[in-house]
Amino acid sequence: DAGVIQSPRHEVTEMGQEVTLRCKPISGHNSLFWYRQTMMRGLELLIYFNNNVPIDDSGMPEDRFSAKMPNASFSTLKIQPSEPRDSAVYFCASSLSGTGIQPQHFGDGTRLSIL
Amino acid sequence: QKEVEQDPGPLSVPEGAIVSLNCTYSNSAFQYFMWYRQYSRKGPELLMYTYSSGNKEDGRFTAQVDKSSKYISLFIRDSQPSDSATYLCALKSPGGGNKLTFGTGTQLKVEL
Repeated sequence: DAGVIQSPRHEVTEMGQEVTLRCKPISGHNSLFWYRQTMMRGLELLIYFNNNVPIDDSGMPEDRFSAKMPNASFSTLKIQPSEPRDSAVYFCASSLSGTGIQPQHFGDGTRLSIL
Repeated sequence: QKEVEQDPGPLSVPEGAIVSLNCTYSNSAFQYFMWYRQYSRKGPELLMYTYSSGNKEDGRFTAQVDKSSKYISLFIRDSQPSDSATYLCALKSPGGGNKLTFGTGTQLKVEL
């Protein structure tokens, strides 16, 4: 079974450049989450979607960050312009929605370095 | 104050030791409690979950929840080198969709 697929796995770019991270959730999952992980702050939720609609974007750090989910099988997280402090590992996760515990399944992340 | 506090470690133990990993939380609205395991350069994966106070056992792993103290624990018996990973607690409230609040993770190393 295919899990959550993220691309690219690594990205190194210079500050000021636009960065686009991509995610393909598990087929049939209708919730999608974008996280950022750093040593200092741990795993932070940036935004999550239910049925392709953004539900909570309170974790998006600033207007330089934007996320879209044009269909059930694809999402992007864009940073424009990028800054060195955006360097982190970005994870996408998907799950079923509903009451109780719905396990979130994570991709292997995109390791982003902004020089 | 963070909603969820977790000692980052690193924690180093000999093979076969009993490991105790802990989180404290401040929001009594949290009703569901999970432990995720994250290997190096991988995404977190769900290890165990529970929604009630008390213990839940799964093989060598036991999750313990004390809602009155807002304290959760994960115990690993007979620890193995393959248990070396970062362990993150994750909490969820009944409302708010499937949004999770994660601890920062505890890095565990089990040495031969």
